[in-house]
Amino acid sequence: QKEVEQNSGPLSVPEGAIASLNCTYSDRGSQSFFWYRQYSGKSPELIMFIYSNGDKEDGRFTAQLNKASQYVSLLIRDSQPSDSATYLCAGSTDSWGKLQFGAGTQVVVTP
Amino acid sequence: DVKVTQSSRYLVKRTGEKVFLECVQDMDHENMFWYRQDPGLGLRLIYFSYDVKMKEKGDIPEGYSVSREKKERFSLILESASTNQTSMYLCASSSPGREQYFGPGTRLTVT
Repeated sequence: QKEVEQNSGPLSVPEGAIASLNCTYSDRGSQSFFWYRQYSGKSPELIMFIYSNGDKEDGRFTAQLNKASQYVSLLIRDSQPSDSATYLCAGSTDSWGKLQFGAGTQVVVTP
Repeated sequence: DVKVTQSSRYLVKRTGEKVFLECVQDMDHENMFWYRQDPGLGLRLIYFSYDVKMKEKGDIPEGYSVSREKKERFSLILESASTNQTSMYLCASSSPGREQYFGPGTRLTVT
């Protein structure tokens, strides 16, 4: 059973709109969550991390965590074509920081 | 800026060859990780290390070994490469419990 689940997409978003990505996790012990962006053929790059319930904003990105419902989301405001990528959600369940990754959601921003 | 480098971007090896993939990080991170990424399967942890000479198996260690003789360097070894080890290999590093930073990846093809 996968511990971190994401819709694979593709999620098609008009330029300038809000992209909403969701991630659910099964391990209630998960404490920290991370969103990575991965362009085709490249390695993942960190966008945001969130440890506490609620919202965390960084520029056009907002991460939301709801531990009671076991979901994490990422909002991308004013989506740009350069946001077209696969977004990986990851959760950490141990103090070492091993991460369990979801399979990723492909986002396509259309002009 | 955190920098994680990998010895090769592309590598082609023959079945049965011994393959070394090298990873170096410059942020004095305690943790280092090796993943492989395959279409539809996402990122899967092969091995990780939380200290020099210390290593732990990840989800798919079979057919792989690792070496960490210095804090900044983590090597992945394929003792006898097989075609099913054709994949993108990603190295990452982190401080305990914190976000992971990835290297550029090595695309390995075993023929």
